[in-house]
Amino acid sequence: GAVVSQHPSRVICKSGTSVKIECRSLDFQATTMFWYRQFPKQSLMLMATSNEGSKATYEQGVEKDKFLINHASLTLSTLTVTSAHPEDSSFYICSARQWDRGPEAFFGQGTRLTVV
Amino acid sequence: QQQVKQSPQSLIVQKGGISIINCAYENTAFDYFPWYQQFPGKGPALLIAIRPDVSEKKEGRFTISFNKSAKQFSLHIMDSQPGDSATYFCAASQYSGAGSYQLTFGKGTKLSVIP
Repeated sequence: GAVVSQHPSRVICKSGTSVKIECRSLDFQATTMFWYRQFPKQSLMLMATSNEGSKATYEQGVEKDKFLINHASLTLSTLTVTSAHPEDSSFYICSARQWDRGPEAFFGQGTRLTVV
Repeated sequence: QQQVKQSPQSLIVQKGGISIINCAYENTAFDYFPWYQQFPGKGPALLIAIRPDVSEKKEGRFTISFNKSAKQFSLHIMDSQPGDSATYFCAASQYSGAGSYQLTFGKGTKLSVIP
């Protein structure tokens, strides 16, 4: 099966600093990657969609200057939370799909971000 | 506007029983309906998925029933086990152009299987 690896699984950072989360597809080429945010006991909220080599498309209400997404290769996408604040504390999850596998998407294990 | 409505919000089932989770949708452009299982602190894992041209799909103890005319689909977990205790999300996908698909999730159902 397709494997998506997300790193780190947990991170604590100080308010005002930036933190980078990596999402890698280990055994397939991810033409599209998605970034989600999940609050406790809630569903996944799509933040942005990125296609390899293109600028990410952000969902309404998501600040693109705060959540920087880079999808420079077919196996790696990164999400950088800039100038993090406590309200950015959340569970961030990436998913990836391969262009010739239809709508099937595979998820990373998620990153728990805590901003103190 | 919630495009995929999921119920119940929580479910308690005795070990060996059948767990049933229901979802309904409005957008007839949806053409792929996956179910995901999520354990605490982990990302969702694809459990089983169905296309609208099929009314039922079974994989092991997990079955999706799909009613296209009613725009409803459900997940049945047979012989439920404590290890099935997790949050289950239904989702629906539609083609959004340029080779891209977008998933819309239900709000999730927390399943607890008690011994």
